[in-house]
Amino acid sequence: QKEVEQDPGPLSVPEGAIVSLNCTYSNSAFQYFMWYRQYSRKGPELLMYTYSSGNKEDGRFTAQVDKSSKYISLFIRDSQPSDSATYLCAMSDPGNQFYFGTGTSLTVIP
Amino acid sequence: EAQVTQNPRYLITVTGKKLTVTCSQNMNHEYMSWYRQDPGLGLRQIYYSMNVEVTDKGDVPEGYKVSRKEKRNFPLILESPSPNQTSLYFCASRRASYNEQFFGPGTRLTVL
Repeated sequence: QKEVEQDPGPLSVPEGAIVSLNCTYSNSAFQYFMWYRQYSRKGPELLMYTYSSGNKEDGRFTAQVDKSSKYISLFIRDSQPSDSATYLCAMSDPGNQFYFGTGTSLTVIP
Repeated sequence: EAQVTQNPRYLITVTGKKLTVTCSQNMNHEYMSWYRQDPGLGLRQIYYSMNVEVTDKGDVPEGYKVSRKEKRNFPLILESPSPNQTSLYFCASRRASYNEQFFGPGTRLTVL
């Protein structure tokens, strides 16, 4: 079983839709939970990170962590064509080792 | 501009021909890492370094070497590349107590 599972998609939505991206994990020691965005032919860039269970909002993006279910989500409101990218979830353990999901490819259609 | 740079960006080589991919960061970060990204497998860590002269294996270190002689540079060395090392490689850096990793633009390597 992989440490982090992520549905690869691809996901295609119309502009303005609400997008939900999800990951599950197996290691209860994971402390930090992150979402990276990767545009084609670019390196990943950090979008959001959270430390504890609950929600964290940043503009149109909301990151949600449920440690009891070992489940994290990223919601994108009012999605835009510029949001089209691959979204990677990532987690780190107390030893600062990082574990990445395989990424979900998102296309927002104008 | 704060950044991680990698060279070359694209490389096609043949089996057994030694190569080095350079990585440099200008943010004075302590931590540097190398990842490979493959379809369906995501990002997997090859090696990481917590500071100068300190390196350790990640999840997939076989066939790779690294060195950290200076804080800003972390080259990845493939002494005898094989076709299964064909992949997209990313270098990343971060400060010691922070989780935000800054990634380079990637190096697409093809080993024939």
